[in-house]
Amino acid sequence: RKEVEQDPGPFNVPEGATVAFNCTYSNSASQSFFWYRQDCRKEPKLLMSVYSSGNEDGRFTAQLNRASQYISLLIRDSKLSDSATYLCVVNLDTSGTYKYIFGTGTRLKVLA
Amino acid sequence: EPEVTQTPSHQVTQMGQEVILRCVPISNHLYFYWYRQILGQKVEFLVSFYNNEISEKSEIFDDQFSVERPDGSNFTLKIRSTKLEDSAMYFCASRTEAAKNIQYFGAGTRLSVL
Repeated sequence: RKEVEQDPGPFNVPEGATVAFNCTYSNSASQSFFWYRQDCRKEPKLLMSVYSSGNEDGRFTAQLNRASQYISLLIRDSKLSDSATYLCVVNLDTSGTYKYIFGTGTRLKVLA
Repeated sequence: EPEVTQTPSHQVTQMGQEVILRCVPISNHLYFYWYRQILGQKVEFLVSFYNNEISEKSEIFDDQFSVERPDGSNFTLKIRSTKLEDSAMYFCASRTEAAKNIQYFGAGTRLSVL
């Protein structure tokens, strides 16, 4: 089983649509969880951290279910500028080293 | 806002040549990382570095790779004898000791091995 698994997409949605991405992780020792955004050939940029209580940042809502080892991201009222690849990332502590484990990413294209 | 800087942005080299990728982490950060992303694939952990030594490395980080912090500010990744399959984006990241969860990424160096 992959350490962090995502549907690669692409998800093609019209402007204004709501879209949801899911992610599962295999290592129950994972410490913290994030959604990053990556534009073509650029560095990953932090979109938001993900907490069990759920958290919202404007049009973006993230949720973590530790029991199911499942992370989600909801984007409401999609904009053209939301087109990017969304990376699910877990922070894994192995012997005191905190390293990021990335999913393959889910590609989103918002259409005019 | 402080940032991680990487140079060069694009490096082209011939197979078998040595390359050094450079990173300047954020100044008060103590933990440093290199990640690699082959075109069309996921970002992969290569190595972490703390207190002037490697704290963890992945199976990708074989004897052809080395890291060092030569002067207290730069953090370098050296590939001794490049192969075609080393072509990728290489991202440097750094973090503080206290904020274990948050890594800050540089813009990356695109390495093209011909």
